[in-house]
Amino acid sequence: DAKTTQPPSMDCAEGRAANLPCNHSTISGNEYVYWYRQIHSQGPQYIIHGLKNNETNEMASLIITEDRKSSTLILPHATLRDTAVYYCIVRVGQAGTALIFGKGTTLSVSS
Amino acid sequence: GAVVSQHPSRVICKSGTSVKIECRSLDFQATTMFWYRQFPKQSLMLMATSNEGSKATYEQGVEKDKFLINHASLTLSTLTVTSAHPEDSSFYICSAREGTGVNYGYTFGSGTRLTVV
Repeated sequence: DAKTTQPPSMDCAEGRAANLPCNHSTISGNEYVYWYRQIHSQGPQYIIHGLKNNETNEMASLIITEDRKSSTLILPHATLRDTAVYYCIVRVGQAGTALIFGKGTTLSVSS
Repeated sequence: GAVVSQHPSRVICKSGTSVKIECRSLDFQATTMFWYRQFPKQSLMLMATSNEGSKATYEQGVEKDKFLINHASLTLSTLTVTSAHPEDSSFYICSAREGTGVNYGYTFGSGTRLTVV
């Protein structure tokens, strides 16, 4: 799986958009970008994934650069409940092996 | 969506005793489940991969005789921490995947907080 780099922490005001960056410059053509988050003392939660096109679901949007070397997870209207550690993971989509977590970004949403 | 149930959510045990943690896939069958450990302010660390009907695969540095994994059915994997010590106190999390297609995400249990006193 390709290595990813994320900032250790970010702050966001409630109601504003949270933009979480992830660098994955060594990503291969068949590797997807996955985002998970972990709210304190809970198991991780799937957010979104994508290959090369931008993706949107009810939780977030994923913007992947044209060269696929970086991506941004966007929470359009952050709430206090979005305070969590966000993990960007790059891997082959069909792989049956475990997810390997890096250090992620701790997002703190404040009122 | 897929649901993974983990039990118990919290457990306190005495040093030297054993503790069993259960991980169940409620609405799908999982031939493979994964066990993680997470220490305070650290990321999840993969401990082992649990395979239904066969032996688990342990990550380097994880003692297989201490962390016993049993995956006896397609919906249940158990992790037993044997002869627990205070340094085994941690947050244990299991995970499973409903399918292997690219659109199948990994579902995680809610975790078990183990405290060894």
